[in-house]
Amino acid sequence: DAGVTQSPTHLIKTRGQHVTLRCSPISGHKSVSWYQQVLGQGPQFIFQYYEKEERGRGNFPDRFSARQFPNYSSELNVNALLLGDSALYLCASSLWETYEQYFGPGTRLTVT
Amino acid sequence: AQSVTQLDSQVPVFEEAPVELRCNYSSSVSVYLFWYVQYPNQGLQLLLKYLSGSTLVESINGFEAEFNKSQTSFHLRKPSVHISDTAEYFCAVSPLSGSARQLTFGSGTQLTVLP
Repeated sequence: DAGVTQSPTHLIKTRGQHVTLRCSPISGHKSVSWYQQVLGQGPQFIFQYYEKEERGRGNFPDRFSARQFPNYSSELNVNALLLGDSALYLCASSLWETYEQYFGPGTRLTVT
Repeated sequence: AQSVTQLDSQVPVFEEAPVELRCNYSSSVSVYLFWYVQYPNQGLQLLLKYLSGSTLVESINGFEAEFNKSQTSFHLRKPSVHISDTAEYFCAVSPLSGSARQLTFGSGTQLTVLP
């Protein structure tokens, strides 16, 4: 079975622009979570969705938003990009009942 | 809220030597515990987990971790490391209660295995 897939792999944006990152979960997984990993740090939780409903939100500004679609794929949107938004954005999917999260390869976002 | 502390940011060790990567956590609710490994320019891979039952859990590639509730620790060990074990290792916890099941990660430990 295919693992979690994310697109694009790499992205370069300018300050003030908007970006959309996409994630497809493992087949059968109904929960998707997003994390931000700044270089040299552990991943930080941004959002979690289950059955298309937001279940959790981390300590990120309102410039960050997300949604989950009927096929359980997800998008993360970031508006008004700042230099500090440069990071690896990781998507993880899970069976809600087991708590185990499986990560995709990430999208490397560079803001210049 | 939960927090995770990984006491060592870098651990160099010679090939075939034993290694221990330390992890302590703090939480007001019961948690599940995980270790993830990250190879350069890749996402995170689940290495092992403690959900319930025996406090000693093992992975298929020789790592083991022991949950110690009184010391709120979940240290990762391997009796003999290989060059291929060189990677960043992250300890994480997930709360058993609440509407979200987010992972809270430590800052990571870079394990470097030397020939």
